[in-house]
Amino acid sequence: AQKITQTQPGMFVQEKEAVTLDCTYDTSDPSYGLFWYKQPSSGEMIFLIYQGSYDQQNATEGRYSLNFQKARKSANLVISASQLGDSAMYFCAMREGDPSSGDKLTFGTGTRLAVRP
Amino acid sequence: SAVISQKPSRDICQRGTSLTIQCQVDSQVTMMFWYRQQPGQSLTLIATANQGSEATYESGFVIDKFPISRPNLTFSTLTVSNMSPEDSSIYLCSGGQGIYEQYFGPGTRLTVT
Repeated sequence: AQKITQTQPGMFVQEKEAVTLDCTYDTSDPSYGLFWYKQPSSGEMIFLIYQGSYDQQNATEGRYSLNFQKARKSANLVISASQLGDSAMYFCAMREGDPSSGDKLTFGTGTRLAVRP
Repeated sequence: SAVISQKPSRDICQRGTSLTIQCQVDSQVTMMFWYRQQPGQSLTLIATANQGSEATYESGFVIDKFPISRPNLTFSTLTVSNMSPEDSSIYLCSGGQGIYEQYFGPGTRLTVT
């Protein structure tokens, strides 16, 4: 079974509107972390936001917020007020287990977001 | 946040040769990781680079093909050995200073002809 599932291979959004990118995960570990990354066409991986499994509140970083629904095992990324520069590939990733055992990540297949002017 | 640099940024290599990719972090990090991203695909972990001991490889990756060094807490190298066209990928290193962080280098685009 896939540990990280991103069901939207591609998404369009109008400039200045909000968009939600879906991510569901599968783990039996009570301790885990969820990450979102942006990968523009240049290929670099840009860290956007992090949510820990024990965090009580949804993570927010500027225009990015994470809609964390633990019971549903979902960690959707919400981008508000989309900008043309948001056009990129977006990856959801998970770190399982106690952080002291290592920080390796498992990635989803990604969602390509295109922002329309 | 940690700033990670990689060299080279891209290379075109001939089949059968080897390429060593360098990864430098601007601060000490406990663990560094090497990922591969094949064209149009997601990232796959190759190995965890451990300082002072052998790297830990993921299933499907072996030391003879991808030898890794980690001489200190800020530097690591990945060698892609005896290359074939199937090794054409982006290779990325990552590391972080805490559980909330996992930063990536800009990647090395490798084309094998």
